[in-house]
Amino acid sequence: EIVLTQSPGTLSLSPRNRATLSCRASQSVSSSYLAWYQQKPGQAPRLLIYGASNRATGIPDRFSGSGSGTDFTLTISRLEPEDFAVYYCQQYGSSPLTFGGGTKVEIK
Amino acid sequence: EVQLVQSGAEVKKPGESLKISCKGSGYSFPSYWIAWVRQMPGKGLEWMGIIFPGNSDTRYSPSFQGQVTISADRSISTAYLQWSSLQASDTAMYYCAKVQRGSYHKDAFDIWGQGTMVTVSS
Repeated sequence: EIVLTQSPGTLSLSPRNRATLSCRASQSVSSSYLAWYQQKPGQAPRLLIYGASNRATGIPDRFSGSGSGTDFTLTISRLEPEDFAVYYCQQYGSSPLTFGGGTKVEIK
Repeated sequence: EVQLVQSGAEVKKPGESLKISCKGSGYSFPSYWIAWVRQMPGKGLEWMGIIFPGNSDTRYSPSFQGQVTISADRSISTAYLQWSSLQASDTAMYYCAKVQRGSYHKDAFDIWGQGTMVTVSS
């Protein structure tokens, strides 16, 4: 099973700041099958990024993903008030599919 | 509009059985794998398993194999998650989610249900 470790656990930033979230895998994620999700309190997760760097339908271009192998990054170029949430990475290259523990982006 | 609509919240006692549902609409339900994801209170996401409604091919996470049963009825575009004997540790929010690419069970989830809260307490 591939273990995903997200860091930091909590990121305290102000609106308009840049956010950089990390996801590290215990072994290489095949074909860069890595996704990022956003979850707000009381809501289901929402797909942001798939294939490590492809934005899902309707996702603003301030969200970008990068990386390959075992190291992946989600960048939010300029935080908007609605971006404060918990973010999860997920690998779907190997079964069982696994999620990281999440990074909470909170208002400083 | 593509959507997954889940059944309502449940409160059960330990040892009871339960079956929750997830109804798809707006797309070809038999053609896309549907996964179940657990989220315990205040915790992260856990992939439980996945089913292809077209032929009921099912895969389970080793952590959940034997603990739950995933099924689907393609005639009514509905997937199910069931327990034969609930425990307090099953208390969680359960989400169903649809894969992006129909024929791949190892895929990102582009559409999620609203979640079903299951509470198990004596």
